[in-house]
Amino acid sequence: DGGITQSPKYLFRKEGQNVTLSCEQNLNHDAMYWYRQDPGQGLRLIYYSQIVNDFQKGDIAEGYSVSREKKESFPLTVTSAQKNPTAFYLCASSIRGERNGYTFGSGTRLTVV
Amino acid sequence: AQKITQTQPGMFVQEKEAVTLDCTYDTSDPSYGLFWYKQPSSGEMIFLIYQGSYDQQNATEGRYSLNFQKARKSANLVISASQLGDSAMYFCAMRDQAGTALIFGKGTTLSVSS
Repeated sequence: DGGITQSPKYLFRKEGQNVTLSCEQNLNHDAMYWYRQDPGQGLRLIYYSQIVNDFQKGDIAEGYSVSREKKESFPLTVTSAQKNPTAFYLCASSIRGERNGYTFGSGTRLTVV
Repeated sequence: AQKITQTQPGMFVQEKEAVTLDCTYDTSDPSYGLFWYKQPSSGEMIFLIYQGSYDQQNATEGRYSLNFQKARKSANLVISASQLGDSAMYFCAMRDQAGTALIFGKGTTLSVSS
């Protein structure tokens, strides 16, 4: 079955460390997205990519980096520059078309210890 | 700037009752799309329903319907005959003006009791 796989489900990071969250899709979707969710804040867009080797910053890109070397993969690196990285991170993908919503992964919960 | 507002942090309903979750939006773009998603406690986001700004009729998907009032810029989700499994967080979202990404409201937590 097609879908989006995020790993790991839970991730613990020491302060000052970079960590990379994995996102893989086998839906043949062109566009992929990363969102951050904090309690009471809804989902906020970090980065998105509409095509391989191209990506754009979202509303809260500071302290994060991404790459899109393959259509199927869109990893997110949380760098040490991100001051408050503890959150739930959701990856999504979509095909082009106004009526098409997103397919989401099951999320990664990152905790700084 | 575009914005989605969900003013109900929490809603409580009994099984088999109908419930309306409010969503208002702000955009200057004449063409836009509105989405509703459900997020159970497990965390995954489940797409429920879509309404296009030029759609002539309100969208319906099974027990879900969208009460779309364009002049008032509201897109309320109506869940008929609530079930215990409907207990979750519900998000209203809109595609941004560039058509490239969804912007989300802060969500409403729905609790269904027996």
